Amino acid sequence: SAVISQKPSRDICQRGTSLTIQCQVDSQVTMMFWYRQQPGQSLTLIATANQGSEATYESGFVIDKFPISRPNLTFSTLTVSNMSPEDSSIYLCSVAGDSINYGYTFGSGTRLTVV
Amino acid sequence: EDQVTQSPEALRLQEGESSSLNCSYTVSGLRGLFWYRQDPGKGPEFLFTLYSAGEEKEKERLKATLTKKESFLHITAPKPEDSATYLCAVQAYTDKLIFGTGTRLQVFP
Repeated sequence: SAVISQKPSRDICQRGTSLTIQCQVDSQVTMMFWYRQQPGQSLTLIATANQGSEATYESGFVIDKFPISRPNLTFSTLTVSNMSPEDSSIYLCSVAGDSINYGYTFGSGTRLTVV
Repeated sequence: EDQVTQSPEALRLQEGESSSLNCSYTVSGLRGLFWYRQDPGKGPEFLFTLYSAGEEKEKERLKATLTKKESFLHITAPKPEDSATYLCAVQAYTDKLIFGTGTRLQVFP
């Protein structure tokens, strides 16, 4: 299965600023997924990123707040913009396995704290 | 609306004390049900995919089963290293995963 490198692993940011999270995959993948995991909550899908097209956002998430880039088949970034303390969460990227038998692979996550 | 509910929220076991975690789901057309393990500060680690009712899969001390409404993750003779949060997720006929809130398992020696 794919190996994902995600960075930064954690950050503490001031409110009103932005943070860009990067995910690098060791193989070419069509779709990459970005999730948010709020404290004590489960994973919620933010958006799906396809190379060469605009990301598809889930209900409750907007491009202005969470712009996503997908410049090639191995890389994607998620930016958390104009941050507030409510954005404090773990952000994770994910890709599908080679087949459904291998599930989806996740990055190690970015723990964001907004102060 | 597609939905996943996991129980219990937390489970404390003595080493060697077998138990089961439950994942109840409602989904319009199940493509797959996934079990993941998540350790603190890490991303979810894939364990199993189940496709259809009656299917079972095993890995070491873990065994996952599936019915039309729920899945169980059976843990046989757990060890302290099995302590983690176990997540269940379903996939309908899209590429989107819907996760439950997880069961936090602690195994004491």
